[in-house]
Amino acid sequence: KNEVEQSPQNLTAQEGEFITINCSYSVGISALHWLQQHPGGGIVSLFMLSSGKKKHGRLIATINIQEKHSSLHITASHPRDSAVYICAVRPNFNKFYFGSGTKLNVKP
Amino acid sequence: NAGVTQTPKFQVLKTGQSMTLQCAQDMNHEYMSWYRQDPGMGLRLIHYSVGAGITDQGEVPNGYNVSRSTTEDFPLRLLSAAPSQTSVYFCASSSRFRPSYNEQFFGPGTRLTVL
Repeated sequence: KNEVEQSPQNLTAQEGEFITINCSYSVGISALHWLQQHPGGGIVSLFMLSSGKKKHGRLIATINIQEKHSSLHITASHPRDSAVYICAVRPNFNKFYFGSGTKLNVKP
Repeated sequence: NAGVTQTPKFQVLKTGQSMTLQCAQDMNHEYMSWYRQDPGMGLRLIHYSVGAGITDQGEVPNGYNVSRSTTEDFPLRLLSAAPSQTSVYFCASSSRFRPSYNEQFFGPGTRLTVL
């Protein structure tokens, strides 16, 4: 049983396309964390959100805590957006749950 | 403010050798954790600590030991390296206080190969 489900697992897009990555979870949380990992790179924080929507450049994250669902959108995708995107939740102090990640490949 | 630091960045071991992966954070975070990341497997928790002197096992603890003598440091020890431990290892830390409660800060990773 996976507490956090991400979809799709793999995504290929053409440069300029609008991208959506989904994250659903089954545990009670107060906020959700989106992370990014470039090939061979470290894991960096994109967004932490507990309600509504956050925007940073071409990246937009939304969350509906009651429906236990979050989405990460990328507008006007670019090859440098190619990375693995991971959502994570913390239902209690001792534990984080991670989605399995969405591998995005944006072709020029 | 260096955040979470890990050493070494790369390491090659022979089967049966032991080594310690170092992790340190300067954010006074109570929670620290070690993950391994394998292709197609996502992040899997090895061990974690909720404070100095307190550690607990995660999903995949076999073959690894940890200790937490200070808030800052959380070393991971491989007792007798095996090829199955070839992986990328990430250390992470987190606060118990909001607003950072739900956020983990990751180190740059250690790429370990066991021959």
